[in-house]
Amino acid sequence: RKEVEQDPGPFNVPEGATVAFNCTYSNSASQSFFWYRQDCRKEPKLLMSVYSSGNEDGRFTAQLNRASQYISLLIRDSKLSDSATYLCVVKGDRDDKIIFGKGTRLHILP
Amino acid sequence: DARVTQTPRHKVTEMGQEVTMRCQPILGHNTVFWYRQTMMQGLELLAYFRNRAPLDDSGMPKDRFSAEMPDATLATLKIQPSEPRDSAVYFCASGLEGGFTEAFFGQGTRLTVV
Repeated sequence: RKEVEQDPGPFNVPEGATVAFNCTYSNSASQSFFWYRQDCRKEPKLLMSVYSSGNEDGRFTAQLNRASQYISLLIRDSKLSDSATYLCVVKGDRDDKIIFGKGTRLHILP
Repeated sequence: DARVTQTPRHKVTEMGQEVTMRCQPILGHNTVFWYRQTMMQGLELLAYFRNRAPLDDSGMPKDRFSAEMPDATLATLKIQPSEPRDSAVYFCASGLEGGFTEAFFGQGTRLTVV
């Protein structure tokens, strides 16, 4: 089983719609979770951290379910500029090992 | 504006040649990661360091890959001999240990082995 699994997509979504991605992780000892965004031919960049209580940043909401070992990202009122690959990221406890999922591709359609 | 710097940005080499990729982490960061990205495999962790000491290099093919940190401002990834299947984008990232501290990525080295 892969350490971090995501649906590769692509998700083709009309502008203004709401879209959600899920990600599952295998290591129950994982402590920190993130969503990164990667644009075509660019480096990954942090979108947001994912906290146990869930957190929101503008149109983006992240949730963590430790019992089921999954993380979610919700994008509301999607914009054309949201088109990118979204990477689920899991960080270990003491070892700081950072593992990336393969990413979910999102295309926002005008 | 602090950033991770990788050189070269692009490299085309012939099979069998040695390739060296360099990374300057953000000043003050004590963890450094090397990743390889391909369409098929996504971002794979090759190796990472904390305070210049290698913590895990299990993701690297040991017979041809080596990663080092000769000092706190330089990390290197070497491939010798290179093979066409090594063609990929190699990213270096740096960060701070512990908790919700993110990894900052360099722009990557796009390697093509012909």
